[in-house]
Amino acid sequence: TQLLEQSPQFLSIQEGENLTVYCNSSSVFSSLQWYRQEPGEGPVLLVTVVTGGEVKKLKRLTFQFGDARKDSSLHITAAQTGDTGLYLCAGAGQFYFGTGTSLTVIP
Amino acid sequence: DTAVSQTPKYLVTQMGNDKSIKCEQNLGHDTMYWYKQDSKKFLKIMFSYNNKELIINETVPNRFSPKSPDKAHLNLHINSLELGDSAVYFCASSPMEGRGLAGTYNEQFFGPGTRLTVL
Repeated sequence: TQLLEQSPQFLSIQEGENLTVYCNSSSVFSSLQWYRQEPGEGPVLLVTVVTGGEVKKLKRLTFQFGDARKDSSLHITAAQTGDTGLYLCAGAGQFYFGTGTSLTVIP
Repeated sequence: DTAVSQTPKYLVTQMGNDKSIKCEQNLGHDTMYWYKQDSKKFLKIMFSYNNKELIINETVPNRFSPKSPDKAHLNLHINSLELGDSAVYFCASSPMEGRGLAGTYNEQFFGPGTRLTVL
């Protein structure tokens, strides 16, 4: 099993603030995905990053894949209450999920 | 027009019982999965089936037996339930098999989950 450590584990911020979530591993991944899971539902794919150093933007969300393809980050600009949820990174065929970051955006 | 559906949504049962969770996908995908999410929200792969054939079995006790009657269905049967089996179980499907080989990746579509509580 390839361990993907996410930090922070919990994050509670005010609406309008910016935040960054990290996903780190000692293993190299050919690709890495980010999912968001809302309470009572299954995870939903946000993005897949494939190339080392790649940056992808999805509206207020910016995803980066590390140059060595061992880590990734998710940056949210001007967080909204709708961003609340559990953020999961996944690698290695996307079977192995990270430890998760639970984000709460307070109005 | 549900993509991946699971039944039941909630399952409460006594220790030692046998129970099944059903999963169906109408996306035409070849690969289906079962995951277990524990109380700390860690999502762990249990099984993966590709065209009705088992391709991943991640050190899951043999009390858990997946059954795929056709590629649209992957059911999970659990014998002799234990307290530690309490968790949320997610079924998922994807268009193709992904083993993490270079250049392979695909999106997984998850069901809404089944919350299993063993008393």
